[in-house]
Amino acid sequence: GENVEQHPSTLSVQEGDSAVIKCTYSDSASNYFPWYKQELGKRPQLIIDIRSNVGEKKDQRIAVTLNKTAKHFSLHITETQPEDSAVYFCAASYTGTASKLTFGTGTRLQVTL
Amino acid sequence: ETGVTQSPTHLIKTRGQQVTLRCSSQSGHNTVSWYQQALGQGPQFIFQYYREEENGRGNFPPRFSGLQFPNYSSELNVNALELDDSALYLCASSIGSRSNTGELFFGEGSRLTVL
Repeated sequence: GENVEQHPSTLSVQEGDSAVIKCTYSDSASNYFPWYKQELGKRPQLIIDIRSNVGEKKDQRIAVTLNKTAKHFSLHITETQPEDSAVYFCAASYTGTASKLTFGTGTRLQVTL
Repeated sequence: ETGVTQSPTHLIKTRGQQVTLRCSSQSGHNTVSWYQQALGQGPQFIFQYYREEENGRGNFPPRFSGLQFPNYSSELNVNALELDDSALYLCASSIGSRSNTGELFFGEGSRLTVL
């Protein structure tokens, strides 16, 4: 089955700096890669996703890149703000949709003032 | 529009007992997925239900079972509880078909502690 590895497990950046979180996946059939943000005690929420026919996707301060050959994808957050502090999870699915996701282990991002 | 609601929010059980967790889907959603999130880990896919039938299952033993009702709400049942079953159980609803599903909307979870 699919295995998703995520690094780093914790990341501390100063407000205004950029943050990058990286994930690798094992199953070359995976074709859908969402990112979720989970604030302390709250539910995971989708922040951005990418499908395998696209190399990069942006939404304001957030971007995701995908390298199918190397089987890795990354989340980039620019101009970080304190409200970006949360745990971020990457995930992968072979269904092309949010069905049957395999999640990474999470990255705790701390944005300091 | 109401979101995904789960009950109970917290519960404590002892080894060997059985537990039932409940989930109400977001209005208009026909697919429910259940995930187990152990402390400090990412969610793990348990199973998905579409139109009252199981539609995919992760690497969980048969003592994890579920139901989806005609109103698309769902239950997760776990028999013969083990200590390792202690986790946050997340329900997510979506609009989908048998082969795909749209964005997942998660509930806030049911935190199960097994002593």
